[in-house]
Amino acid sequence: NAGVTQTPKFRVLKTGQSMTLLCAQDMNHEYMYWYRQDPGMGLRLIHYSVGEGTTAKGEVPDGYNVSRLKKQNFLLGLESAAPSQTSVYFCASSYSMGRTQYFGPGTRLLVL
Amino acid sequence: AQTVTQSQPEMSVQEAETVTLSCTYDTSESDYYLFWYKQPPSRQMILVIRQEAYKQQNATENRFSVNFQKAAKSFSLKISDSQLGDAAMYFCAYRSSGGSNYKLTFGKGTLLTVNP
Repeated sequence: NAGVTQTPKFRVLKTGQSMTLLCAQDMNHEYMYWYRQDPGMGLRLIHYSVGEGTTAKGEVPDGYNVSRLKKQNFLLGLESAAPSQTSVYFCASSYSMGRTQYFGPGTRLLVL
Repeated sequence: AQTVTQSQPEMSVQEAETVTLSCTYDTSESDYYLFWYKQPPSRQMILVIRQEAYKQQNATENRFSVNFQKAAKSFSLKISDSQLGDAAMYFCAYRSSGGSNYKLTFGKGTLLTVNP
């Protein structure tokens, strides 16, 4: 039982490049989330999903897209990376609303 | 909108001593959840303790306990018998219990240093 895993752990992009961050969970959780963490700030929700095939916008969705084609995977895409997207990205999952969210180890992204 | 405030950017404690981290929040809701998460240098977010607002009894998990004061909107974390492995950033978080609000609202964190 690996819990929540994220790929890759670290990535450097040039402005305008695209990439996809992968989140996988093996706990059969319905709910999945993508957060970003910036220095001096707590985590902020980018997008979330309440089940396979569903996605919704969070607090800071601009510049990101997501997909949840399989229940266990939640993908975060950057179509045209910008330096403002330099951050640490965390994925989380939970069994249902109101239940505890379990976090992955994070992905550090640097956009030059 | 809900807000979470951690007024102590940094705290330090001697090994084996007790330390209390402060958290206050602002909400108009009556039912919600509160959490403390620990983030060590590895950056992984680890759940420390959780409190349901409808429960009057303070949550405890081994050396970790909370002082939940609902009327004062205060949710402090007490770490007893501090250990070197407790050194980390600690985040207080709020979550609504109803509607379509699924997100956690985090405070800015308190960096805890444990001195040997």
